Amino acid sequence: EAQVTQNPRYLITVTGKKLTVTCSQNMNHEYMSWYRQDPGLGLRQIYYSMNVEVTDKGDVPEGYKVSRKEKRNFPLILESPSPNQTSLYFCASSLSGLAGGKFFGPGTRLTVL
Amino acid sequence: ELKVEQNPLFLSMQEGKNYTIYCNYSTTSDRLYWYRQDPGKSLESLFVLLSNGAVKQEGRLMASLDTKARLSTLHITAAVHDLSATYFCAVDAGSGTYKYIFGTGTRLKVLA
Repeated sequence: EAQVTQNPRYLITVTGKKLTVTCSQNMNHEYMSWYRQDPGLGLRQIYYSMNVEVTDKGDVPEGYKVSRKEKRNFPLILESPSPNQTSLYFCASSLSGLAGGKFFGPGTRLTVL
Repeated sequence: ELKVEQNPLFLSMQEGKNYTIYCNYSTTSDRLYWYRQDPGKSLESLFVLLSNGAVKQEGRLMASLDTKARLSTLHITAAVHDLSATYFCAVDAGSGTYKYIFGTGTRLKVLA
């Protein structure tokens, strides 16, 4: 089954404790991206990756890091989480950056205390 | 700054009625996407509009794109309760980047 998986699905952590949210897709997609969803603000893109070793900033990259060492995986790293990073995070993939709708993962709800 | 604006933000309608959701954007992109999100769920791709004048239909939903006006519409025909969800439009930022920008979303509630 074609899918995008994220782990963990729920996470409560404390300020400053480094964490990683994993994202994996099994569709051989080139384009992968991360979004955060906040009430009243909609979805905002954090980072995207056009292919292995190619990443670029979205609209809200501050406080986040990403890496794309393999085509199927695109982890989101919060080196020192802060309460303003409490949000619902989605990973998505598509065949390329300019074609087709995105396949979204199930989401990760992160709370930073 | 690229902006994608949807209206209305909230829409409550009776079953059987027709309505249109509007998506205005400020980029020169000619690629626009519509998504549906059910409460507590992820996003599902509905339509991909890749050129001026593109029209796509699926069941009671029809989407169209006017790149000259930088406007896309999502028309709902004879609404049913199952269409209750939040609908988002999104555009490629273009101009040499591969950013992806979402509208603020339209929360649709169809009343029986």
